[in-house]
Amino acid sequence: AQSVTQPDIHITVSEGASLELRCNYSYGATPYLFWYVQSPGQGLQLLLKYFSGDTLVQGIKGFEAEFKRSQSSFNLRKPSVHWSDAAEYFCAVVLYGGSQGNLIFGKGTKLSVKP
Amino acid sequence: GAVVSQHPSRVICKSGTSVKIECRSLDFQATTMFWYRQFPKQSLMLMATSNEGSKATYEQGVEKDKFLINHASLTLSTLTVTSAHPEDSSFYICSARVPRGTAYGYTFGSGTRLTVV
Repeated sequence: AQSVTQPDIHITVSEGASLELRCNYSYGATPYLFWYVQSPGQGLQLLLKYFSGDTLVQGIKGFEAEFKRSQSSFNLRKPSVHWSDAAEYFCAVVLYGGSQGNLIFGKGTKLSVKP
Repeated sequence: GAVVSQHPSRVICKSGTSVKIECRSLDFQATTMFWYRQFPKQSLMLMATSNEGSKATYEQGVEKDKFLINHASLTLSTLTVTSAHPEDSSFYICSARVPRGTAYGYTFGSGTRLTVV
């Protein structure tokens, strides 16, 4: 069955430090890939997405993600974390051409930022 | 662009009453909308997929008669929680698939916190 794995439930980083959030997917083909961020009590905001082409994708708020087909991964990175980045991060996939085309989410990674 | 407006953001209702949550696409036509439920500190659980003008498709384990979904126009989908009980208290989020093009993807409403007392 298709699945999305975010192995880290909670990560704490110091402000100004670099960040990498991991995401692996299990699909037969390359799906469309997304990263979303959710602040408490809010909806989800799209950070970036990958469909095809350049495997390094730039997003909003200084985030980027790299698609690695050989590892079935789409890890999110930021070179210098700000306190306002503290939130829940979700990796999601959708199978291109899927009949329902709904997003399948990972369980999320909570990011805490310490001063 | 590609904004989805969800209302209300918070609602408290008495047990046994019904609550309607609205989700509107403001600047695009949403032929497909999705309704999710999110428990505290958990991921989003897909409840149902609604397509404009047709019946919603519910995920396994979701009660169709309790969670009524209507997608009568290309810009509006509603979720009605009927005969609500405390266990229905949760955070409900709608999402719409943005049509193909540079903006293709999925955009989310800001969510509705439902508390049943």
